[in-house]
Amino acid sequence: QVQLVESGGGVVQPGGSLRLSCAASGFTFRLYGMHWVRQTPGRGLEWVALIWFDGSNDYYADSVKGRFIISRDNSKNTVFLQMSSLRAEDTAVYYCAKGAVPTVTTGDYYDSWGPGTLVTVSS
Amino acid sequence: QVVLTQSPSASASLGASVKLTCTLSSGHSTYDIAWHQQQPEKGPRYLMNLKSDGSHNKGDGIPDRFSGSSSGTERYLTISSLQSEDEADYYCQTWDPGFQVFGGGTKLSVL
Repeated sequence: QVQLVESGGGVVQPGGSLRLSCAASGFTFRLYGMHWVRQTPGRGLEWVALIWFDGSNDYYADSVKGRFIISRDNSKNTVFLQMSSLRAEDTAVYYCAKGAVPTVTTGDYYDSWGPGTLVTVSS
Repeated sequence: QVVLTQSPSASASLGASVKLTCTLSSGHSTYDIAWHQQQPEKGPRYLMNLKSDGSHNKGDGIPDRFSGSSSGTERYLTISSLQSEDEADYYCQTWDPGFQVFGGGTKLSVL
């Protein structure tokens, strides 16, 4: 059974940094692309970042490009999101999501989600 | 880039059926999508992958009451025999290489 568990959320001041982790289990982690998606309280879902199954490529939404970095450790079945220069508008629940198709590089949908971790950017 | 459009809200009676729509932007009629459900105070849950030809593959444990269909740039999610737990937000999702996009979501009320 696929399980994704995010951690690392909390309260951070504007301009600060935070590192989120997502521990994965129940599937062959190294074969699947992984994503971060966020949701502002009371709003819809916004894709944040994607990393290929082998970690060789990563992509970002324009709203976080240059400030966030996605990475993964396939030996530890974990994907990370390093967030820096945080702004109030980054306040959201951050979800980790698993790509559905193994070793795909053209993009695909999500077939599993974590429960999310809340990031609050406030002074 | 592709854009997905959903109606903000929908409602239907307990036991009835409802058809939610996700519209792909012009020129993107061949795109597959996925449907996700988000019940109140919970994280999203994958429902199904829906192809442009209407074929779909549902996630584990998704009831037969949930089905999908396609027509042109429209992608549909039909829920039959509505139950109270179906009251939720429903999001469609699609992708291009290196890019993901969600529709704005439809809030379904079960009356």
